[in-house]
Amino acid sequence: DTEVTQTPKHLVMGMTNKKSLKCEQHMGHRAMYWYKQKAKKPPELMFVYSYEKLSINESVPSRFSPECPNSSLLNLHLHALQPEDSALYLCASSQDVRVEQYFGPGTRLTVT
Amino acid sequence: GENVEQHPSTLSVQEGDSAVIKCTYSDSASNYFPWYKQELGKRPQLIIDIRSNVGEKKDQRIAVTLNKTAKHFSLHITETQPEDSAVYFCAATPPGQGGKLIFGQGTELSVKP
Repeated sequence: DTEVTQTPKHLVMGMTNKKSLKCEQHMGHRAMYWYKQKAKKPPELMFVYSYEKLSINESVPSRFSPECPNSSLLNLHLHALQPEDSALYLCASSQDVRVEQYFGPGTRLTVT
Repeated sequence: GENVEQHPSTLSVQEGDSAVIKCTYSDSASNYFPWYKQELGKRPQLIIDIRSNVGEKKDQRIAVTLNKTAKHFSLHITETQPEDSAVYFCAATPPGQGGKLIFGQGTELSVKP
C-alpha cells in the first residue's frame, strides 16, 4: 500500500459540533503531518508527529486537537470551529522528518 | 526564518512548448527542495525533488536545477501537454525544523492545446 488515505472526503459541521478527521498510511512511515489549505494557496503546516510524538504545533488554536494513536493513524479532533476554518485539510506522511512527504486526498471541511 | 518566493504566479503556454517556474529561498542552510503538482480538487503530488548536494536532476520531461550560491531553484517542463495544467508549488526545508516545508505561493500553469 503506497497511499495515504483520509476520511471523510467531505464534512459539513456547525460551530457547536464535535467531529474528527482520520488519516491512515501503511507505508511504515514514522512522521505524519496535518496541513490546512485554502483555495489557491499553498498548504500551511499545522502539526507534525514524529515516532508518534507531537514534535511541532504551529500555534494552532486549541479547537483543533491532534492525536496519533499508533504509527499508522493520525486523527484531528475538531470542536467549536469558526466559519473561517473552512478549508481542505491534508494529511501527509514521510519515512522520517528529513525526507519526502506524501499527501493524502484531503478532507473538504465546511463550517456553517 | 526561511522564506520562499515563487514566480510567475500564472503561466500560459502552447502545447509542446517548455515551461519554467523559478523559486528563490532565503535560508542558505535549507537542504531539500521538493516540487508538488496539484490538479484542481486533488492532492499535492510530489513530482521531483533535489537536495543541496546536487545541481540538477531530471525525470523524463521534468527537471529541476539548483543554484546554491544564488539561492534559487527552478522547475523545467519540456514538451508540455494539456495534462500538465495544474498549480505547481515549490518548497524548501530548513534543517532542524522537524521536516517543516516552507512553500512558495504557487504557479498556475495552463497548457493550451
